[in-house]
Amino acid sequence: QVQLVESGGGLVKPGGSLRLSCAASGFTFSDYYMSWIRQAPGKGLEWISYISNSGSTIYYADSVKGRFTISRDNAKNSLYLQMNSLRAEDTAVYYCARDRGSGGYSYWGQGTLVTVSS
Amino acid sequence: QSALTQPASVSGSPGQSITISCTGTSSDVGSYNYVSWYQQHPGKAPKLMIYDVSNRPSGVSNRFSGSKSGNTASLTISGLQAEDEADYYCSSYTSSSTLVFGGGTKLTVL
Repeated sequence: QVQLVESGGGLVKPGGSLRLSCAASGFTFSDYYMSWIRQAPGKGLEWISYISNSGSTIYYADSVKGRFTISRDNAKNSLYLQMNSLRAEDTAVYYCARDRGSGGYSYWGQGTLVTVSS
Repeated sequence: QSALTQPASVSGSPGQSITISCTGTSSDVGSYNYVSWYQQHPGKAPKLMIYDVSNRPSGVSNRFSGSKSGNTASLTISGLQAEDEADYYCSSYTSSSTLVFGGGTKLTVL
């Protein structure tokens, strides 16, 4: 069955960096676009970024552009999010999700919590 | 990219039908049939309920239906059940090739 497992979250100081990973299994990872979506505590969902199946097409939300970098390793069935220059407002649960096309996310991970605080 | 507009809360009694609206612009909802709806229970990951405006993934109850008119999409839940109580989010593809979510709607089953 399809599984997405995020890791790498934790407590980081403002201005710091963190790299999130998402391990995929149960499907042909290289066939699918993948995305990162976050949810601040008690708030709604916010789309962050997506990457095409080959990695050649990438888009970011304005709120993270220039600070976050999405990437993937199809040989390792893994998705990544490099987060730099972190701010308090980046505090959230970060989910990776498999895109069925056009933004319909049919599978989600359990999420990993990132807390940015001094 | 501004968030899509959803009512903060809706409520209904068991067996009734409710509709949640999701209003965007001609740059997102109005231009693409790429509207999705998600259900999220507390502490859980979101679950896809509707994709491409009105399509249900396998396993989702046919009590859930979606539609769109102009810049507004809608999710209708018929025959409300206690387990439908959750937060609901819409999303849409945009003309910037990005995605935008709605602010979320809390559904209370009375």
